[in-house]
Amino acid sequence: EPEVTQTPSHQVTQMGQEVILRCVPISNHLYFYWYRQILGQKVEFLVSFYNNEISEKSEIFDDQFSVERPDGSNFTLKIRSTKLEDSAMYFCASNRGRTEAFFGQGTRLTVV
Amino acid sequence: QKEVEQNSGPLSVPEGAIASLNCTYSDRVSQSFFWYRQYSGKSPELIMSIYSNGDKEDGRFTAQLNKASQYVSLLIRDSQPSDSATYLCAGDYNTDKLIFGTGTRLQVFP
Repeated sequence: EPEVTQTPSHQVTQMGQEVILRCVPISNHLYFYWYRQILGQKVEFLVSFYNNEISEKSEIFDDQFSVERPDGSNFTLKIRSTKLEDSAMYFCASNRGRTEAFFGQGTRLTVV
Repeated sequence: QKEVEQNSGPLSVPEGAIASLNCTYSDRVSQSFFWYRQYSGKSPELIMSIYSNGDKEDGRFTAQLNKASQYVSLLIRDSQPSDSATYLCAGDYNTDKLIFGTGTRLQVFP
């Protein structure tokens, strides 16, 4: 069964460093998303991406964040200068548009 | 403010019983709803989707949507200890994104 894959599963970084989280969405899906979940809190939408551009973003997704689809399979989330409060689980998801979204296994980002 | 509300629980049910999980939403715009199961430290796993008023059944799971009351529920029949997890309700508010509730923790005891 096709699935969304994310790498790495765990990333530890120093405050102020740049991190790139990687995702391979399901191959025939057209919409890609990043969500995050701070420990003990709800899953929060960050950004959606369709047709090689951002279709929607939340208030969390400020200038420190960017997304890219560098080739036909990968979808990345970059955080330019990490803060302690960026520590969270980051989930990539994909769907064919306004249908069920499938989530990857997540990347646990720890900023120290 | 578009929100999805859930009781955080825990909801404790004995093995074999029916677990009833509920969710309300704040805006009549929302059209589609999704139930996800999340085990501790893991990612959300899609259980059910429901797009129109009424009931939708899939195995031991039944999702119910009542748009007039802005209410969504998930029934789990013959609950098993392996069903113990946090159940997340999410609505799309007719957009491409999902807005999640805080989740209800379900505990099924033998």
